[in-house]
Amino acid sequence: NAGVTQTPKFRILKIGQSMTLQCTQDMNHNYMYWYRQDPGMGLKLIYYSVGAGITDKGEVPNGYNVSRSTTEDFPLRLELAAPSQTSVYFCASSFGTGRSYEQYFGPGTRLTVT
Amino acid sequence: DAKTTQPTSMDCAEGRAANLPCNHSTISGNEYVYWYRQIHSQGPQYIIHGLKNNETNEMASLIITEDRKSSTLILPHATLRDTAVYYCIVRVGLTGANSKLTFGKGITLSVRP
Repeated sequence: NAGVTQTPKFRILKIGQSMTLQCTQDMNHNYMYWYRQDPGMGLKLIYYSVGAGITDKGEVPNGYNVSRSTTEDFPLRLELAAPSQTSVYFCASSFGTGRSYEQYFGPGTRLTVT
Repeated sequence: DAKTTQPTSMDCAEGRAANLPCNHSTISGNEYVYWYRQIHSQGPQYIIHGLKNNETNEMASLIITEDRKSSTLILPHATLRDTAVYYCIVRVGLTGANSKLTFGKGITLSVRP
């Protein structure tokens, strides 16, 4: 299994541009999450999903949108990028029920907005 | 979710046990203690979790005090590859909205040769 994969690894955006961060998992996990991590800080939850077609806001959702049309994919959309969105973005997934509850994280996308 | 308090940093010698403390004095009876670690620039990695009893797996041991107000993560034989930020996280449940993880700043463990 590839686990959780994220693309791109790095991206530089200009203020006002938009982009989509891709996240795919091949573990048949129900739950998926998007976190951001600012320098020297812990991770903050942006959005999460408990299954295809179901999404909900986390701690810092402003400026982002998500969709979950399939079990495998959970893209994160940035509209009108701002310097405050410069961060490292991590996607994660877990079974959510039964079995193991650990979250598996992707390698991250480093985004710079200038 | 209950908040956790961890020291900012600690170090230990390679081959020795690393004991990482965590205080969670406001923990509720149905809240689990989780430990994750993040090696530089990588995504966090699950280590272990527990509710009341001590737990052990191939990576570490988790010791939870009887009153559950604190816990200690033990890496029995630390190696240089264990240098990382370790997060102690407390969360209510495991499904739905309760499955979220709330990360603090964690403790930076430096393993010295």
